[in-house]
Amino acid sequence: QQQVKQSPQSLIVQKGGISIINCAYENTAFDYFPWYQQFPGKGPALLIAIRPDVSEKKEGRFTISFNKSAKQFSLHIMDSQPGDSATYFCAASTSSNTGKLIFGQGTTLQVKP
Amino acid sequence: EAGVAQSPRYKIIEKRQSVAFWCNPISGHATLYWYQQILGQGPKLLIQFQNNGVVDDSQLPKDRFSAERLKGVDSTLKIQPAKLEDSAVYLCASSPRGIHGYTFGSGTRLTVV
Repeated sequence: QQQVKQSPQSLIVQKGGISIINCAYENTAFDYFPWYQQFPGKGPALLIAIRPDVSEKKEGRFTISFNKSAKQFSLHIMDSQPGDSATYFCAASTSSNTGKLIFGQGTTLQVKP
Repeated sequence: EAGVAQSPRYKIIEKRQSVAFWCNPISGHATLYWYQQILGQGPKLLIQFQNNGVVDDSQLPKDRFSAERLKGVDSTLKIQPAKLEDSAVYLCASSPRGIHGYTFGSGTRLTVV
């Protein structure tokens, strides 16, 4: 019940295309859903996050879509660029704890020029 | 603002040896986390400190792993004795409060041979 399942494991997209990564969760107590971007040799860095009271959040080329009834959320990267090539992790947390994040398995994105 | 500092960056040890990792969080961050990231997986929380007290160590293998955060600032994570399956990147993160302002360090890559 504490798991967050992420797909696909890897993704190859042409420059300018749309990258879509999906996550699903079981624990309905989760109320904070961040996405992290990780480059080789670096720690994860927060990209964008959403709470379940909204269905979509957009920041620049990055959009989170959230479906509370289906317990699913996704990251859309518009106009994907080679610099976006990285590993992306979805995560979930509950505000009742003091910050523990449950991470998905990760998606390695390659954007071809 | 200085980030989360971790050392060493890399460590190679033989199984059954001991190893220690160090983390210096962002100044003023009360919460400190240690995560284990096995290759190809998302980070998994090992232990969480609030100031110098342990909040969550439910996933810490206490027979071989130990951690401390003296004076509520720096923290060390120790493994003794190490096993092959401990090969991973050990990430330290800190936040001023819970999930807000969560920042990861670049991690220590441990290889146990």
